Amino acid sequence: NAGVTQTPKFQVLKTGQSMTLQCAQDMNHEYMSWYRQDPGMGLRLIHYSVGAGITDQGEVPNGYNVSRSTTEDFPLRLLSAAPSQTSVYFCASRPSPGASSYNEQFFGPGTRLTVL
Amino acid sequence: DAKTTQPNSMESNEEEPVHLPCNHSTISGTDYIHWYRQLPSQGPEYVIHGLTSNVNNRMASLAIAEDRKSSTLILHRATLRDAAVYYCILRAENYGGSQGNLIFGKGTKLSVKP
Repeated sequence: NAGVTQTPKFQVLKTGQSMTLQCAQDMNHEYMSWYRQDPGMGLRLIHYSVGAGITDQGEVPNGYNVSRSTTEDFPLRLLSAAPSQTSVYFCASRPSPGASSYNEQFFGPGTRLTVL
Repeated sequence: DAKTTQPNSMESNEEEPVHLPCNHSTISGTDYIHWYRQLPSQGPEYVIHGLTSNVNNRMASLAIAEDRKSSTLILHRATLRDAAVYYCILRAENYGGSQGNLIFGKGTKLSVKP
């Protein structure tokens, strides 16, 4: 298994540009989520999904959109990038309750985004 | 969400044991104690979790106080590769929906000296 993969690894945007951060997992996990991590801080939840077609907001959802059309993919869209969105973005997935390793959440390697 | 308190940083010598404390005085009866760590420039990774009894796995041990208001992550022999930020997180047992979200604090930054 490749686990949780994220693309791109690095991205530089200008203020006002839009882009999509890609996240995919090949473990058939129902739950997926997006976090951002600012320097010296812990991770903050942006959006999450408990299954295909179901998404909900986390702690810091403003400026971001998500959709979940398949179990495998959970893209994060920045609608109009702002310097305050400069951060490292992590995607994560975990199995449903009752599945093996259901207590573990698996994280991708991150996307480092800079908005100028 | 129940909150955890951890020291900002700790230092250890290589090949010595490390005890990373976590206080969670408002823990509820159904909250599991989870530990994750984040190596430099990587995403967090699961370390261990427990409810009431002490737990061991290949990475670490988790010692939980009898009143569950505190816990300690134990690395038995620290290596340079264990230098990371360690997060203590509480999560409800029945974690359907938003209850399954992990709420990260700032964690403890562990430095390991050769």
